[in-house]
Amino acid sequence: RKEVEQDPGPFNVPEGATVAFNCTYSNSASQSFFWYRQDCRKEPKLLMSVYSSGNEDGRFTAQLNRASQYISLLIRDSKLSDSATYLCVVTPGNQFYFGTGTSLTVIP
Amino acid sequence: EAGVTQSPTHLIKTRGQQATLRCSPISGHTSVYWYQQALGLGLQFLLWYDEGEERNRGNFPPRFSGRQFPNYSSELNVNALELEDSALYLCASSSGQLNTEAFFGQGTRLTVV
Repeated sequence: RKEVEQDPGPFNVPEGATVAFNCTYSNSASQSFFWYRQDCRKEPKLLMSVYSSGNEDGRFTAQLNRASQYISLLIRDSKLSDSATYLCVVTPGNQFYFGTGTSLTVIP
Repeated sequence: EAGVTQSPTHLIKTRGQQATLRCSPISGHTSVYWYQQALGLGLQFLLWYDEGEERNRGNFPPRFSGRQFPNYSSELNVNALELEDSALYLCASSSGQLNTEAFFGQGTRLTVV
């Protein structure tokens, strides 16, 4: 069983739409969770950390559900510049396990 | 402060040759991770080094190997290159502390011809 499962998409949404990504993880001992963004042919970069209480950064909201072992990312008012691949990350024992990524294309 | 640096940025090798990829972590980071990303695919975990020791390796054949030096920099070696080894190889480093993220280098794009 994979450590992290993520819907690969692709998600094609119009500008201004709200889109949500989910990720499930298998190791209940996972302690740290993140969302990364990867642009085409570039390295992944941290988008935001995910805390148990949930956290928000502008148009982006990340949530963690430990009971069901999933994390989510909500993007409101999508911009063309949000087009990228979004990777969820869990870290049981300090090893970083990446999901396969969900591709998002925001259409004008 | 310098980020994670990888060298070379591009590498072209012929089938059967060996490739050596290098990574310098952020100053103070003791953990180094290596990932392979083939075109259009996700990150596949290769190796994890921490404090000079190999902590875990992914599901790759033994011809993928590496090491971490006393200054925490790391090297990834790929022997007997095959065409399907062509990919972007990404190195990331972290401090190993709870709730701290990993930072990536820009990667080495390996092409095997």
